[in-house]
Amino acid sequence: ETGVTQTPRHLVMGMTNKKSLKCEQHLGHNAMYWYKQSAKKPLELMFVYSLEERVENNSVPSRFSPECPNSSHLFLHLHTLQPEDSALYLCASSQDAGYEQYFGPGTRLTVT
Amino acid sequence: QKEVEQDPGPLSVPEGAIVSLNCTYSNSAFQYFMWYRQYSRKGPELLMYTYSSGNKEDGRFTAQVDKSSKYISLFIRDSQPSDSATYLCAIFGSYGKLTFGQGTILTVHP
Repeated sequence: ETGVTQTPRHLVMGMTNKKSLKCEQHLGHNAMYWYKQSAKKPLELMFVYSLEERVENNSVPSRFSPECPNSSHLFLHLHTLQPEDSALYLCASSQDAGYEQYFGPGTRLTVT
Repeated sequence: QKEVEQDPGPLSVPEGAIVSLNCTYSNSAFQYFMWYRQYSRKGPELLMYTYSSGNKEDGRFTAQVDKSSKYISLFIRDSQPSDSATYLCAIFGSYGKLTFGQGTILTVHP
């Protein structure tokens, strides 16, 4: 595997379900990010982890819970989501929380 | 006022045309300006970045920043069908924070 990988690529879940998105980076970076991309809206930063510490939480609802167990892996735990949470969730990584960020292909989430 | 404004298009041009993509931003403190390209069903990839004002050229692509008017541009010369994608401008703040424009959908038709 190379670059940034994300699983699953597609996910359909009900509002009462609990699911997790997984991201893995193979670039040796020490910072990882979650972004949300909704139709007709700009890409929106959700969380930043640098050296496995959360350094930014962009006013994201508590139904989204990130976890960064090491510098290569990032999870986004989802529970009690709303239909408006349906979007493409993108993971990215960079060195030293810098501007050169590498994105994964995203998980297309549909909340029914 | 949004931090970054970008016309979503869509923009359709014939092959070989010069394409101009533009964004405006509101915070004059920003110093790094990025352009990302996103193909359908893929994540964004960094195309070019510019530090402060001025131009930067990479092959058929030129990025330009005018800090006095808070205006950033990407020019594509001799556009190709393979350039068809969504182009996202972004500005870089602290703690790895990238703020993106809405993205412009570009189609280059043969």
